[in-house]
Amino acid sequence: GDSVTQTEGLVTLTEGLPVMLNCTYQSTYSPFLFWYVQHLNEAPKLLLKSFTDNKRPEHQGFHATLHKSSSSFHLQKSSAQLSDSALYYCALSPPANTGANTGKLTFGHGTILRVHP
Amino acid sequence: NTKITQSPRYLILGRANKSLECEQHLGHNAMYWYKQSAEKPPELMFLYNLKQLIRNETVPSRFIPECPDSSKLLLHISAVDPEDSAVYFCASSLQGANTGQLYFGEGSKLTVL
Repeated sequence: GDSVTQTEGLVTLTEGLPVMLNCTYQSTYSPFLFWYVQHLNEAPKLLLKSFTDNKRPEHQGFHATLHKSSSSFHLQKSSAQLSDSALYYCALSPPANTGANTGKLTFGHGTILRVHP
Repeated sequence: NTKITQSPRYLILGRANKSLECEQHLGHNAMYWYKQSAEKPPELMFLYNLKQLIRNETVPSRFIPECPDSSKLLLHISAVDPEDSAVYFCASSLQGANTGQLYFGEGSKLTVL
């Protein structure tokens, strides 16, 4: 079945330094990949989605590139801000018409990002 | 996000029955119930697309979903168990069930005594 691996449970860094959160996946299909962000006591919100044409999605200074050869979709930002502190989930969705996997969004375990001054 | 509203936001129960309500004002076709236990990712419980139940994950039978119209979703819970303590998120997506682009409501936090 589909799976998403986020190797770091917690990433702590200083404001202004670059951010990279790892995400690798396994899927029978050629899936869509997503990053969701969840601030404390809030709902998850969509941050980024992979494109089928290999464009690099960007939002709020974050970007991620889907590398099918390495099955990865790492999240990056050039300069961390205090407000980036949150829980980040990488998630995978199968393409349309995949039968039993319809509507199944598979989440990784999440990475907590803590940015300090 | 006031475009998906959930009620109640907080509830504390013994072994009682309760219903959670969700309404989305986004015109989306698909609606979901997710359960998020402490320190875990959201887990899909149920998925409706155009009012039809199309995913029913392995969920205890005390959870019964209802979709009275395409913008509303209910979750009826009977005789709750302590393992049911979690935040229950309603979510929706525009183009049916396979986009992965979910909009989540604020959640209903259930605490079972």
